[in-house]
Amino acid sequence: SQTIHQWPATLVQPVGSPLSLECTVEGTSNPNLYWYRQAAGRGLQLLFYSVGIGQISSEVPQNLSASRPQDRQFILSSKKLLLSDSGFYLCAWTPGGGDYGYTFGSGTRLTVV
Amino acid sequence: AQSVTQPDIHITVSEGASLELRCNYSYGATPYLFWYVQSPGQGLQLLLKYFSGDTLVQGIKGFEAEFKRSQSSFNLRKPSVHWSDAAEYFCAVGAQGGSEKLVFGKGTKLTVNP
Repeated sequence: SQTIHQWPATLVQPVGSPLSLECTVEGTSNPNLYWYRQAAGRGLQLLFYSVGIGQISSEVPQNLSASRPQDRQFILSSKKLLLSDSGFYLCAWTPGGGDYGYTFGSGTRLTVV
Repeated sequence: AQSVTQPDIHITVSEGASLELRCNYSYGATPYLFWYVQSPGQGLQLLLKYFSGDTLVQGIKGFEAEFKRSQSSFNLRKPSVHWSDAAEYFCAVGAQGGSEKLVFGKGTKLTVNP
């Protein structure tokens, strides 16, 4: 069966520090991968998505970046965090092919102080 | 571009009462529509989805939703709410094409009184 792992679960980082959040999927190949951010009262905002290794699409211009170094690994990064980067970050995957069968990770709560 | 509006930020119902959560979407073509539920501090779980066909869709946990093209709506319903249904509910619309991107509403928080 397929599983998605996202870590860490919580993170407190000072302003200006770097960020690396990792997401891996097991039990499938060539998934579509997504990073969403959830801020209080603002729903979920799509940040990045990837339909293949090295293929990253950005939805929102900001100081975050994403990479997909392996087929089932998706990394969200920042060189210098801002206060406004605080939020709940969710990774998700779909098998592709128009199924829209999203499976979400359990999320990372990021607090920038 | 597609968009989703959930007019109700917070709804409170009594256990055993019926529930309807509203969702309106904007999309130029036939939409793919979804309802997700999120418990505090957790990821999202799919309740149901609509792609085409029968406009009344049955989902998990006793939920159903009805697609009304004329009203651009996809409201979620449950005839009798249980205390365990307390959570936040998100409506989403999917863009057609290979990316399978979803655009989410801002969510409706459901409180269930005993």
